[in-house]
Amino acid sequence: GQNIDQPTEMTATEGAIVQINCTYQTSGFNGLFWYQQHAGEAPTFLSYNVLDGLEEKGRFSSFLSRSKGYSYLLLKELQMKDSASYLCAVKRWDSNYQLIWGAGTKLIIKP
Amino acid sequence: DARVTQTPRHKVTEMGQEVTMRCQPILGHNTVFWYRQTMMQGLELLAYFRNRAPLDDSGMPKDRFSAEMPDATLATLKIQPSEPRDSAVYFCASGDTSSTDTQYFGPGTRLTVL
Repeated sequence: GQNIDQPTEMTATEGAIVQINCTYQTSGFNGLFWYQQHAGEAPTFLSYNVLDGLEEKGRFSSFLSRSKGYSYLLLKELQMKDSASYLCAVKRWDSNYQLIWGAGTKLIIKP
Repeated sequence: DARVTQTPRHKVTEMGQEVTMRCQPILGHNTVFWYRQTMMQGLELLAYFRNRAPLDDSGMPKDRFSAEMPDATLATLKIQPSEPRDSAVYFCASGDTSSTDTQYFGPGTRLTVL
């Protein structure tokens, strides 16, 4: 079946680094997205990986290993405003390029 | 600043009433998605349009939900009759298949059915 796994909740300290993992088992892999969603708001796009390796964008980086069905989102220099849910989603070419969504990881930042 | 817009932002209605939600995708985008999000279920895909044609509505309860794109600037999601279990946040998202087809979300419609 099609499956995406993420930890339900993580806690980290302001100023620190946190890594949020995502593992997937899907057919027709065509890319992986990370979105951020603050409570009561819409998901906003963070990153897209289609090739293996690390994509860096400011304080946020995203890594993909297609052979292992694994991705992670790395957040550096954590700020209180980074408290949010982080959603991993896989695009499938064999399903009209729809996204399969993970349940999200709620990240709590403590001072 | 191109954004997806949705109306209304909040809707409270009574069971049995018709609810219509509207979405204006980002100009030039050719894919439109309707999602429902609840605390228990996360993001559920209800309907998906590409170039205004419906590609997938398998996630939508057919007896009461309907989705249409009367033109490239408007997508609608209708519930008739509404039920309390339909209470959720409904998001519209749009994308462009000529690039990465990243989905950009509207602010959502928070629906409460009493």
